[in-house]
Amino acid sequence: NAGVTQTPKFQVLKTGQSMTLQCAQDMNHNSMYWYRQDPGMGLRLIYYSASEGTTDKGEVPNGYNVSRLNKREFSLRLESAAPSQTSVYFCASSGGRGSYGTEAFFGQGTRLTVV
Amino acid sequence: EDQVTQSPEALRLQEGESSSLNCSYTVSGLRGLFWYRQDPGKGPEFLFTLYSAGEEKEKERLKATLTKKESFLHITAPKPEDSATYLCAVQWGGNKLVFGAGTILRVKS
Repeated sequence: NAGVTQTPKFQVLKTGQSMTLQCAQDMNHNSMYWYRQDPGMGLRLIYYSASEGTTDKGEVPNGYNVSRLNKREFSLRLESAAPSQTSVYFCASSGGRGSYGTEAFFGQGTRLTVV
Repeated sequence: EDQVTQSPEALRLQEGESSSLNCSYTVSGLRGLFWYRQDPGKGPEFLFTLYSAGEEKEKERLKATLTKKESFLHITAPKPEDSATYLCAVQWGGNKLVFGAGTILRVKS
């Protein structure tokens, strides 16, 4: 049972380059999330998708775009990378039961460095 | 505005010295409050879910409680292996899930 799979695990980009981070889940969850984590900042929400076909901005969306390709896959794109986007990126997914949320499951993270 | 605030930012305890971590939130229409543990270089590991005021959950040396606007993670007689960053997250509205900045816990033997 793979859970949440992120690719790549490590990436170095030059300023101005673009790239897409891939995320897939096999738990049939409706909601998916992209976070970035910087030292001392906790996890900050970039974008989320409450269900297939919908996406919404989180706390720090500038410089990023997302695509909910289908129920399983949620990708994060950096169109023109900047050094300020150097961070660890986590993808997560969660299900839900009626009006109650359920815990999110996380991928192993992508360590991105922009030089 | 801060919607999820954790305190303290860092906590140093001696082995066996019990204490509590705090998570306060300002959202309405709570769908769930979650506690996670995160070790260096790894993704968050789920600990507890709380849904309504008065609810309590326990696991080994950890106990999580919830009131209307805050949650506490009580650590009883901690051991060095409890050292980690503890994260609180709140889910509300259209399944938005926001985390606090975390509390870094160090337990010395």
